[in-house]
Amino acid sequence: SAVISQKPSRDICQRGTSLTIQCQVDSQVTMMFWYRQQPGQSLTLIATANQGSEATYESGFVIDKFPISRPNLTFSTLTVSNMSPEDSSIYLCSVGRRARDTQYFGPGTRLTVL
Amino acid sequence: QQPVQSPQAVILREGEDAVINCSSSKALYSVHWYRQKHGEAPVFLMILLKGGEQKGHEKISASFNEKKQQSSLYLTASQLSYSGTYFCGTEIPDKLIFGTGTRLQVFP
Repeated sequence: SAVISQKPSRDICQRGTSLTIQCQVDSQVTMMFWYRQQPGQSLTLIATANQGSEATYESGFVIDKFPISRPNLTFSTLTVSNMSPEDSSIYLCSVGRRARDTQYFGPGTRLTVL
Repeated sequence: QQPVQSPQAVILREGEDAVINCSSSKALYSVHWYRQKHGEAPVFLMILLKGGEQKGHEKISASFNEKKQQSSLYLTASQLSYSGTYFCGTEIPDKLIFGTGTRLQVFP
């Protein structure tokens, strides 16, 4: 199994600002994923972050709004840019060797935008 | 594209059984099941692969019908700790798409 930490655990931000969320894993992993979970809803995949290449974004998510970095096999960041109240959500990272293997989730970052 | 789960919610007494279904409109390579308690991260329960291989929790069983693109999770002799929201995750190449979720509450 993998142990994953996220920072910050929660934040309250003003409209128009940006927030960078960090995801740290205790071992090297091939695939890292970023999800958004709105209150009472399912998990929606934002993007897949692979080391050494650009992130692959899902429909409805764009790099200008959610830039992602993956500088090495244990770390990734997700930035939520030019925030609006609609971005209020929980953001989770997960890791796995492959998509079909067990994915382990970080504790999440609870974001509130005023 | 998002898998549909049924029922949306289940209320049980301790010791009762439940079945949660997951149905996809796309061909599946594998199906994953996770449980999420309020305010916590999802926790892995089981993976079902094409061809019948399963990996996961000893006390939980599941089925995977590749032709019908469906999976079912069987919870027997439920315990209070089973309460939470259950999500199926269907694999399409290189990613998981999570289902709509089923909220399960177990009461004494």
